[in-house]
Order: sequence, then structure tokens, then C-alpha cells
Amino acid sequence: DAGVTQSPTHLIKTRGQQVTLRCSPKSGHDTVSWYQQALGQGPQFIFQYYEEEERQRGNFPDRFSGHQFPNYSSELNVNALLLGDSALYLCASSFTSGGYNEQFFGPGTRLTVL
Amino acid sequence: AQSVTQPDIHITVSEGASLELRCNYSYGATPYLFWYVQSPGQGLQLLLKYFSGDTLVQGIKGFEAEFKRSQSSFNLRKPSVHWSDAAEYFCAVGARQAGTALIFGKGTTLSVSS
Repeated sequence: DAGVTQSPTHLIKTRGQQVTLRCSPKSGHDTVSWYQQALGQGPQFIFQYYEEEERQRGNFPDRFSGHQFPNYSSELNVNALLLGDSALYLCASSFTSGGYNEQFFGPGTRLTVL
Repeated sequence: AQSVTQPDIHITVSEGASLELRCNYSYGATPYLFWYVQSPGQGLQLLLKYFSGDTLVQGIKGFEAEFKRSQSSFNLRKPSVHWSDAAEYFCAVGARQAGTALIFGKGTTLSVSS
């Protein structure tokens, strides 16, 4: 049973560019959440997708957007990159109909903005 | 405000010695509590969770945690630490509803000395 997968593993961009990160949830899961983990910090919630719609959003600017596809996979897009966007981006999947808030995390995408 | 506090930034424990990592939370609703472990360059692995019932919960790798509502705490323990336990440990709190945002502490780095 494949767990949560993310691509790419690492990414280097320059300020002002745009980036797209991808996530495939664990088999049987229908909900994807995205978190940003800056160096030396705990993960911070960006947003969550369920039934192809953004269901909940954290305190992140509109430069951060996302999408969920019919197969439950998801993308995170960040526009107009800033140096402060350098972080590990974690995707977590869960099963909304399962009732319990148990989230399984992927290995993350390390984004470096120069 | 909703928050998680992990008072210890860094702890060093001798191999074979016992371990306790502290976690205090502030949460407006019934808290659902989690401990995750993160090895360098990796994603988060769920160690254990508390949803309801017995306040002492057992997890993987020999870890356990005790929920104390009166103290708003959820401390992680292990009776005998192994060198492979060296990692970053994160405490998180969330609502029961599947997929809702988890709020993480800043983490505790565990070093194991021989």
C-alpha cells in the first residue's frame, strides 16, 4: 500500500517565479492538507482540499493556491515567490468519511528560493 | 488562542535511559492530540494519538503518552531510549473532524548519547 507521495523532492527557484508542487494521497483517502515547515519550526497549515474544493485555509496569502483532482491528488501553487517561502512543504492525507482526524504525511518537497 | 508549547528545544539522553518530552496545549474545543517524529530530511511519522477513552495511549516504537486534561498536557515517554530514536519530535492538536488543521508545536530535538 503506497503511502502519501510528493514530487518533486527538491526544487530551486528565484524570487518572483512561480512553483507547483504535487501530492498523491494514501490509497483510500479523499482529503489533502498542505503544510509549510520553515527551518527549525513546526509545520503550519496552509489549506485543505476535499471534494475538489478548498475547505479550510490557514493564515497564508493568496499567492498560495491549490487544486484537487477527481482522483484526489492535489497541487500547491505559489506565485511571486519570496525568499521567505523557502521551506519544506508537506502534504498530508486523511479520510473524511472515516470520522477521525488522523493525517498521514508525505516526505515533503524542499523548496529553496534564491 | 489555539497553540501548542513544547518547552524543551533540545534534550540529550543517554542510550538506555528513560525519556519524557513535554507538551502543553491551548485549544477551544475537545482536543485530539498527536505526537509525530521527523528524521532529518524526512516527513512526519505518527507515533501515537489520543482521541478519547484511556488517557494513557500506546504508540509505535515503544512510546507512550499520557493525556492530562487538568494540566492541558500530553507528555511523551519512553522507558529506554535507543540511538535510533534521535530525531525531531512534534506535538500537535486538532479537532475531531477528519482532516481539520493540526496545530503543531515548534518541536523538540532529541539527541542520544552512548
